[in-house]
Amino acid sequence: KAGVTQTPRYLIKTRGQQVTLSCSPISGHRSVSWYQQTPGQGLQFLFEYFSETQRNKGNFPGRFSGRQFSNSRSEMNVSTLELGDSALYLCASSSQPGDTDTQYFGPGTRLTVL
Amino acid sequence: AQKVTQAQTEISVVEKEDVTLDCVYETRDTTYYLFWYKQPPSGELVFLIRRNSFDEQNEISGRYSWNFQKSTSSFNFTITASQVVDSAVYFCAYEKGTGANNLFFGTGTRLTVIP
Repeated sequence: KAGVTQTPRYLIKTRGQQVTLSCSPISGHRSVSWYQQTPGQGLQFLFEYFSETQRNKGNFPGRFSGRQFSNSRSEMNVSTLELGDSALYLCASSSQPGDTDTQYFGPGTRLTVL
Repeated sequence: AQKVTQAQTEISVVEKEDVTLDCVYETRDTTYYLFWYKQPPSGELVFLIRRNSFDEQNEISGRYSWNFQKSTSSFNFTITASQVVDSAVYFCAYEKGTGANNLFFGTGTRLTVIP
């Protein structure tokens, strides 16, 4: 069974630009969560999607948005990039929301904002 | 508010040594879960264990063992006979209720196992 895949793996953008990151969950998993990992703030929850609906959102500004498609693939978008958005963005999938003990993480997308 | 503290930022050990990673948490909740994750250089978080607040039994899985003590609010992780492949960043996490939005991570401990 293929794991969680994230594309692209690395991305370099400049301030003010926008970026879209993609996450393909494990086959059969319908819940996708996103996390941001930075040296200063550590690992923080961004969003959780299930059946194309956002169930929860972390404490992030409106510049951070996401969506989930009918095939459970998810995208997150960050608009008007700031230097502080440089981070590793991790996606995790599970069968059901709340299954934190059976969620599988992808390798992440490392975003660098210059 | 819940808080997870991993005071050890970096640890280096020589291969085959035992090493314990500390995790202390603060909470007023009676029901919660504690986790350990491993993050190898490849980046993905690998789930290692989840314990609920009512189960203080220690757990052993191969070279890994976990000691959960509510009296000291600690959930420590020991690797016995460490190997180079154990080199990674290890995160302790706390979950109140269920759901990714209720999962709070510590700052991580970087473990380097020297051959």
